[in-house]
Amino acid sequence: GAGVSQSPSNKVTEKGKDVELRCDPISGHTALYWYRQSLGQGLEFLIYFQGNSAPDKSGLPSDRFSAERTGGSVSTLTIQRTQQEDSAVYLCASSLAGGGEQYFGPGTRLTVT
Amino acid sequence: KQEVTQIPAALSVPEGENLVLNCSFTDSAIYNLQWFRQDPGKGLTSLLLIQSSQREQTSGRLNASLDKSSGRSTLYIAASQPGDSATYLCAVIPQAGTALIFGKGTTLSVSS
Repeated sequence: GAGVSQSPSNKVTEKGKDVELRCDPISGHTALYWYRQSLGQGLEFLIYFQGNSAPDKSGLPSDRFSAERTGGSVSTLTIQRTQQEDSAVYLCASSLAGGGEQYFGPGTRLTVT
Repeated sequence: KQEVTQIPAALSVPEGENLVLNCSFTDSAIYNLQWFRQDPGKGLTSLLLIQSSQREQTSGRLNASLDKSSGRSTLYIAASQPGDSATYLCAVIPQAGTALIFGKGTTLSVSS
């Protein structure tokens, strides 16, 4: 079956612009996670969805970051007024249930110029 | 606060060698532990998941062990091949419904 997909694969944007990153989880997976990986940094958690609800948003670095999930499937991560420090690879993962084995998408590489 | 450490940060071995990658975590109360592989410029590929009640898992040439009481996991790779060259990441889930906490990874290079 299809794995986790993310779009776009690469995004270059100017500082101050808004961007939307999309994640399509594996069909039937109720849990969805967003992480980001910065150059030289480890992987850091951003937000966790169970169904359409986000019980844990503790990793979002500022109020410029928001995410939603609709229909228990597709999720969109939005970054408003992008800054250069937002440049990173944004990774999405899904699992059958919270705490289960997580499967990752290929990521979106965001570059803010 | 749970912290995950991986040692060594980098490892170079000749083809055919058996090797062990180490992962330690500070809080033994984990739900499960997952090992991943990441190739340059790519996403993460899940290798093995060990639930907290398990001691080890095996997949092909890979064997992962878990010792919760000592806060350690090891990933054993048998008969290494150049295609095994990648960064290997260890991650724990503290409890169901929480996110993975990652180590910084071990970058493995296998020379032919």
